[in-house]
Amino acid sequence: GDSVTQMEGPVTLSEEAFLTINCTYTATGYPSLFWYVQYPGEGLQLLLKATKADDKGSNKGFEATYRKETTSFHLEKGSVQVSDSAVYFCALREGGGADGLTFGKGTHLIIQP
Amino acid sequence: EAGVVQSPRYKIIEKKQPVAFWCNPISGHNTLYWYLQNLGQGPELLIRYENEEAVDDSQLPKDRFSAERLKGVDSTLKIQPAELGDSAVYLCASSLGRSSYEQYFGPGTRLTVT
Repeated sequence: GDSVTQMEGPVTLSEEAFLTINCTYTATGYPSLFWYVQYPGEGLQLLLKATKADDKGSNKGFEATYRKETTSFHLEKGSVQVSDSAVYFCALREGGGADGLTFGKGTHLIIQP
Repeated sequence: EAGVVQSPRYKIIEKKQPVAFWCNPISGHNTLYWYLQNLGQGPELLIRYENEEAVDDSQLPKDRFSAERLKGVDSTLKIQPAELGDSAVYLCASSLGRSSYEQYFGPGTRLTVT
């Protein structure tokens, strides 16, 4: 079945550092890929998405590129802020737009001032 | 625009007792999802509704879990009887359906079974 593997956390960085959170996936078809973020005390929010190979999703300074050849969707940000501290989930969806998501275990990011 | 509403936010029960969770999706969203999130894990899909029809319930443990979405709006997820291993966060999400890729999540209900 489908699966998503993320780097384990917590990941601790200093403010303004460069961020990479690795995500790789296994799927039988051509899934859509997502990054969700969960801030403390809040629900999951969609951060960015990519629906086909070589697409780049971006939002709030975060970027991720759909790499079919390496089955990866790594999340990057050039300069993190304390407010970026949260749990980040990589997810995929096979099939149409309404299917359920398959999530990774999440990566807890801690940004220190 | 109001988001996905869930209640209660927290619930503590003894094992073997029944429990129910309620979800009100975003207005106009035809598709509704229930996910289970264990501590330190990502959410896992339990059931998906298209309007009032359950179109994917393959991951729902039907011996003790049940769900309904009367009139295609609000939904209730029930566990009877609850077991210690059911302690988790139960998330509800909704989307416009096939025309939209985004699922909007509620804050979840944290269940503790003692």
